[in-house]
Amino acid sequence: KAGVTQTPRYLIKTRGQQVTLSCSPISGHRSVSWYQQTPGQGLQFLFEYFSETQRNKGNFPGRFSGRQFSNSRSEMNVSTLELGDSALYLCASSYDPDRRLGIYFGPGTRLTVL
Amino acid sequence: SQQGEEDPQALSIQEGENATMNCSYKTSINNLQWYRQNSGRGLVHLILIRSNEREKHSGRLRVTLDTSKKSSSLLITASRAADTASYFCSTNSGGSNYKLTFGKGTLLTVNP
Repeated sequence: KAGVTQTPRYLIKTRGQQVTLSCSPISGHRSVSWYQQTPGQGLQFLFEYFSETQRNKGNFPGRFSGRQFSNSRSEMNVSTLELGDSALYLCASSYDPDRRLGIYFGPGTRLTVL
Repeated sequence: SQQGEEDPQALSIQEGENATMNCSYKTSINNLQWYRQNSGRGLVHLILIRSNEREKHSGRLRVTLDTSKKSSSLLITASRAADTASYFCSTNSGGSNYKLTFGKGTLLTVNP
């Protein structure tokens, strides 16, 4: 099976712009979650989707949003970018709603905000 | 508060030696996973251990789980320079309200 894929892998934006990141889960996986990783804050949970519904959300401002499509693919959007949004954004997928078979990560999208 | 906390924060060993890192958590879990992350890249799933399992092996990796102490350990035997990476644990309690959290990881450096 192909793993979790994320596009693009690298992105450079300027402050005030918006960005959309894409994630394709492992085939058959219906849960997709997003994480932000920075040197200062480490890995932080953004949100999780299951069957097109957002199940949980981390402590991030409303500029961070996401959605999941019927084919389980997910997108994450960040509006009005700030310098502090520069980070590695990781997407992960799991098969079942309780994640009993594990959570598997993609390679990440490196976002740089100038 | 963090659910999975790795210890030590950094570990430096010579090639061929064994490396042990630990993870502590606070609440009851369904399973626990260990991941490896090479600098600036995604997390690679290493091993999943369920709450009813006490030990699991995968190649040079050995994971133990002690639910009474709410702790897990990852042992890498006969380490190689390519094992140099950060290692994270994460716990899963299942359910829709669960937010996956990570500690700061253990940075393992294997010197050739």
